[in-house]
Amino acid sequence: DGGITQSPKYLFRKEGQNVTLSCEQNLNHDAMYWYRQDPGQGLRLIYYSQIVNDFQKGDIAEGYSVSREKKESFPLTVTSAQKNPTAFYLCASSMPGTDTQYFGPGTRLTVL
Amino acid sequence: AQSVTQPDIHITVSEGASLELRCNYSYGATPYLFWYVQSPGQGLQLLLKYFSGDTLVQGIKGFEAEFKRSQSSFNLRKPSVHWSDAAEYFCAVVPDSNYQLIWGAGTKLIIKP
Repeated sequence: DGGITQSPKYLFRKEGQNVTLSCEQNLNHDAMYWYRQDPGQGLRLIYYSQIVNDFQKGDIAEGYSVSREKKESFPLTVTSAQKNPTAFYLCASSMPGTDTQYFGPGTRLTVL
Repeated sequence: AQSVTQPDIHITVSEGASLELRCNYSYGATPYLFWYVQSPGQGLQLLLKYFSGDTLVQGIKGFEAEFKRSQSSFNLRKPSVHWSDAAEYFCAVVPDSNYQLIWGAGTKLIIKP
């Protein structure tokens, strides 16, 4: 089955710790995205990558980092510099030149 | 600033009744338009999209949406809702060729038995 997987589904972290969220896709999509979702605010773009070894900051990149070493994988690290990291994180992918994004099931991060 | 507005935070509809969810955008040109649905704790699923052509677009699960340029709107409709339609619905717009989606804040649909 083709699709996007995110792991873990739930993640707990202590303040001051970095944590990495996984996103893998087998859709052969070139572009991948990370969004943050908070209640009542829709989705906000954190980072996106149109091609391997290249990525761009989105609207709320501060306190986050990404890498894109493989086409299939786009991990997101939430660093201790992110002041309010508790949120639902969604990964998406798309083919270049198209606008339709396909989403993973999400990871809910809670900072204790 | 470019924006997408979903004016209704919550909508409650009786099962079997018709539904219309509103979406307005603030761009001059004709953008690409999308509706996504999200069940609680899940990712988003594409319901339908409009790029060009016929302004009435059919989607999955019996949903349709109509693009009205004069009103800068892309409202989502369903003639008869089912309890399984209870979810949050997001309108999204790509305003230009950089392929970055601009999202509305979402409308939560509640179904009354």
